Amino acid sequence: GQQLNQSPQSMFIQEGEDVSMNCTSSSIFNTWLWYKQDPGEGPVLLIALYKAGELTSNGRLTAQFGITRKDSFLNISASIPSDVGIYFCAGRDSGGSNYKLTFGKGTLLTVNP
Amino acid sequence: KAGVTQTPRYLIKTRGQQVTLSCSPISGHRSVSWYQQTPGQGLQFLFEYFSETQRNKGNFPGRFSGRQFSNSRSEMNVSTLELGDSALYLCASSSRTSGSNEQFFGPGTRLTVL
Repeated sequence: GQQLNQSPQSMFIQEGEDVSMNCTSSSIFNTWLWYKQDPGEGPVLLIALYKAGELTSNGRLTAQFGITRKDSFLNISASIPSDVGIYFCAGRDSGGSNYKLTFGKGTLLTVNP
Repeated sequence: KAGVTQTPRYLIKTRGQQVTLSCSPISGHRSVSWYQQTPGQGLQFLFEYFSETQRNKGNFPGRFSGRQFSNSRSEMNVSTLELGDSALYLCASSSRTSGSNEQFFGPGTRLTVL
């Protein structure tokens, strides 16, 4: 089956620092989604990407759909304490009408005030 | 618009029992997907329902089943519970329109099997 490798697994940073995380897949995706999950809650959609090379921002967050369609990255600028949480990438492959999303294992972000 | 709602939020069962979880999608969304989340395996896809029909299925045993009603609400059932079924069960709704693959998650149901 499809594999999504998300890295790093965890990050511990100081408030104000920039953060970067990425995902790579074993197959071509036509959609990349980035989610954030707080403890005890469901994932919240941050950014959706639909075209290779697409660069999209949502406030301090910026994500890009890789040119090869096998990778994506998420940047968070000027981190603040409320950025703490688990960030997941998810992708949908290019085949048929399959609406199943494949998820990365997540990046645990800790921000030290 | 109200978000995705799931009930109950917490559930404790014993091995061998069965359980039914409920999910109400965002108004107007007709697709509901179910996921199991565990620390070891992460988020794993169970199945997707659209227009009362199962459209996609993940690699879970037949003890996991679901259904969708005409108002798009969905239920997931797990029979003969095992300890390893303890997890956060998430449902996500989508409009499933052309060009939109965005799924919006509910808060989840935390199932503990003793």
